[in-house]
Order: sequence, then C-alpha cells, then structure tokens
Amino acid sequence: SAVISQKPSRDICQRGTSLTIQCQVDSQVTMMFWYRQQPGQSLTLIATANQGSEATYESGFVIDKFPISRPNLTFSTLTVSNMSPEDSSIYLCSVVDPTANYGYTFGSGTRLTVV
Amino acid sequence: AQSVTQPDIHITVSEGASLELRCNYSYGATPYLFWYVQSPGQGLQLLLKYFSGDTLVQGIKGFEAEFKRSQSSFNLRKPSVHWSDAAEYFCAVGASNMLTFGGGTRLMVKP
Repeated sequence: SAVISQKPSRDICQRGTSLTIQCQVDSQVTMMFWYRQQPGQSLTLIATANQGSEATYESGFVIDKFPISRPNLTFSTLTVSNMSPEDSSIYLCSVVDPTANYGYTFGSGTRLTVV
Repeated sequence: AQSVTQPDIHITVSEGASLELRCNYSYGATPYLFWYVQSPGQGLQLLLKYFSGDTLVQGIKGFEAEFKRSQSSFNLRKPSVHWSDAAEYFCAVGASNMLTFGGGTRLMVKP
C-alpha cells in the first residue's frame, strides 16, 4: 500500500500561533483528505484536497482557520491557524490508495497540543 | 447523509476468547465499509474492507467481518484474541469519496 509520511509527528504550540503539517505520499494520488481526532473522540473530516483546485471543507471547518495547499499529486499541507487549546487534537492525512484496492490509507498523524 | 454507530464504547475480553465488535451503518445505497485499528499513539491501520461480492470478508491479523444488508451491519470478529489486539477499533462507511467514522470501540484484553 501507499506510504504516507506526516510531519511533524507531534508538537506543542503557544496559543495564537500557527502550525503547518506536511503530508508526503510515495505515489501519485488524486484525492487527499485531512481529518481531526479530538482527544478520546473519533475522526472527523476537515477537508478534501485535490491537486489544482481549492480544497473542499466540511461543515464546521473554514479555510481561514485550516488553509490547505495541494501543489502536486504527492504532497499536501494543512495549517492550523491562530491556535487555541481547543485545537489540541491529532491531525491525520489520508489518501484513496489504488495499491490497496482503493482502501483509504492514513498517515501516522500529528499530535498537536496547544498551551 | 451516511452515519455509523458502534454501540459498544468499551469491550473487555480474556486472551484467547472470541471477539465480536458491532457496527451499524445508515446509507441509502450499497456502502463501502471499512474497519480500522488504532493502537495508542499510532495512526490508523486498515484491517479489512467490503466493496461488493462475498459478504464475509477476511482481513489482516486474523480478523473477519460480515456484511448483512438486512441488518445494516458490518460486525468485526476474531476467533481468538491476543494481548496485542488491545487497541481502538473504528468502523467507517465510504461514500462520495469520503469516510464517515463510528465513535470507536476500545478493546481491552485480560491475561
């Protein structure tokens, strides 16, 4: 299956600052997804990122807070802007993986703590 | 819109015992269904998926799941649990190129 490298794996940030999370895939993929997993909770889709177009955000998530870039078919970034303690979560990227018979493969996640 | 319910938040089983984790979904068409496992501090690993065909699906680590359309269920099973199976398990339904996850079931294994 596709291998997804996500950086950083964890970070502790001051409130009011921003953090950019990188997601690198070892093969070209059309769609990439960003999820949030709040402490003790399930995963919620933030947005879908297609190369060459604006990301599509789910209800409750806005571009100003979570800007996403998708410059090519193997890379994407998610920025968490103007952070508050409520943004403390695990952020995961995911792809539809043709090499895994179109299962969804996930990165190992970025554990963010905002203090 | 699709939804997934995992009725059991926590389950504790003895090592060597059988396991069944329940998953019920709501979706208007034939769903794509997935089970993922998340160990502490780790990302998600795909255990198995159902797209079509045989309703009994075999996965990795000795897991299997059965799709029952009449019950809108996709329960995960394992005949003999190992201590290393202790983790969080998520059922998900795929539709419109997105995954919707259930709330998860935390599995604890007693020695």
